[in-house]
Amino acid sequence: DAGVTQSPTHLIKTRGQQVTLRCSPKSGHDTVSWYQQALGQGPQFIFQYYEEEERQRGNFPDRFSGHQFPNYSSELNVNALLLGDSALYLCASSSNTEAFFGQGTRLTVV
Amino acid sequence: EDQVTQSPEALRLQEGESSSLNCSYTVSGLRGLFWYRQDPGKGPEFLFTLYSAGEEKEKERLKATLTKKESFLHITAPKPEDSATYLCAVQEYGGATNKLIFGTGTLLAVQP
Repeated sequence: DAGVTQSPTHLIKTRGQQVTLRCSPKSGHDTVSWYQQALGQGPQFIFQYYEEEERQRGNFPDRFSGHQFPNYSSELNVNALLLGDSALYLCASSSNTEAFFGQGTRLTVV
Repeated sequence: EDQVTQSPEALRLQEGESSSLNCSYTVSGLRGLFWYRQDPGKGPEFLFTLYSAGEEKEKERLKATLTKKESFLHITAPKPEDSATYLCAVQEYGGATNKLIFGTGTLLAVQP
């Protein structure tokens, strides 16, 4: 079992650019959530996808959008990048009783 | 407002010196309380889920306990490889999702 896999592992972008991050959930999990973790902070909920639809969104602007595919994999898109978007982006796949995280994508905006 | 507070923010122990980390929470209805371990630059590694007051779970040198207001992560005879940030998160009943609300973590350093 490969667990939750994310790509890429590191990314450097320029302010104003757009970025797409990818996540493949753990086998048997159909729900994918995205979190943003700033340095020294706990992860903050961005949104969750189930059955290819966004179920709930945290306190993030519309520049953050996502998608879930029929095979349950997911993408996180961020438009018009700001310096403050620099963070570790985590994908979590879950069932009712467990939530496992990927290794994350470290995004640096310069 | 749902809130999770972890203490202390940082803890330094000598190898073999047992201690406890605290996670206090405020949530309208607790569906589950999660503990994770996170190494620098890595994703959180799942440790435990606790569901009801009085529940306890153990894994190697770690034991997690839960009351109606807080959870403790007890570390018995820690080793240097236990050094990491330990994150606590809660899941609330009644929401549309099973999102996790995290604390800011406790940074544990175990010295040989």
